[in-house]
Amino acid sequence: DAKTTQPNSMESNEEEPVHLPCNHSTISGTDYIHWYRQLPSQGPEYVIHGLTSNVNNRMASLAIAEDRKSSTLILHRATLRDAAVYYCILRERNAGNMLTFGGGTRLMVKP
Amino acid sequence: ETGVTQTPRHLVMGMTNKKSLKCEQHLGHNAMYWYKQSAKKPLELMFVYNFKEQTENNSVPSRFSPECPNSSHLFLHLHTLQPEDSALYLCASSPLMTSGGSSYNEQFFGPGTRLTVL
Repeated sequence: DAKTTQPNSMESNEEEPVHLPCNHSTISGTDYIHWYRQLPSQGPEYVIHGLTSNVNNRMASLAIAEDRKSSTLILHRATLRDAAVYYCILRERNAGNMLTFGGGTRLMVKP
Repeated sequence: ETGVTQTPRHLVMGMTNKKSLKCEQHLGHNAMYWYKQSAKKPLELMFVYNFKEQTENNSVPSRFSPECPNSSHLFLHLHTLQPEDSALYLCASSPLMTSGGSSYNEQFFGPGTRLTVL
């Protein structure tokens, strides 16, 4: 399985943008890039996913490098409620809904 | 009640006990999942049920026994567990377990059951 590499932790200031990086140098041409996050004392929740083009939704934006070897999750304006562990996950096209979680990045938001 | 609920939220059991974890989803989904989240390891997929049929067993020891009586309910029966089985057990559901391709059905997670085995 292609693997992802994320920083263990990051800090951000409230109301500022946050860029969470993810490296996936061994990604295959048909792997999708997914992001989930896990708030304290909760199960993970879906954030966004994409294949090649950048994606936007109400929660975040996903910027995918042209060579697809890295991607960045962008929170446009961090709030205290965005403090969570963010997981970057590669999903094989033929894996259906199967997700393999890694260690993730713990995002701390300072007021 | 909406979403995915799990009971109990906390459970302490001895190694000789038998207990069950319950998951219920009110989202009309057809696929349900059990995950294990240990303190020092990433989230691990344990079992997948699609339309009440088990489609994935990720080499889970037999002391963990899943049951899916219908698409809304999922149980994890526990017996003769070990202290290293102490973890957060998470249930998730999705509209269905797709066979692959570009379609993707988001997984919705419950809050988990914190299990401690003494």
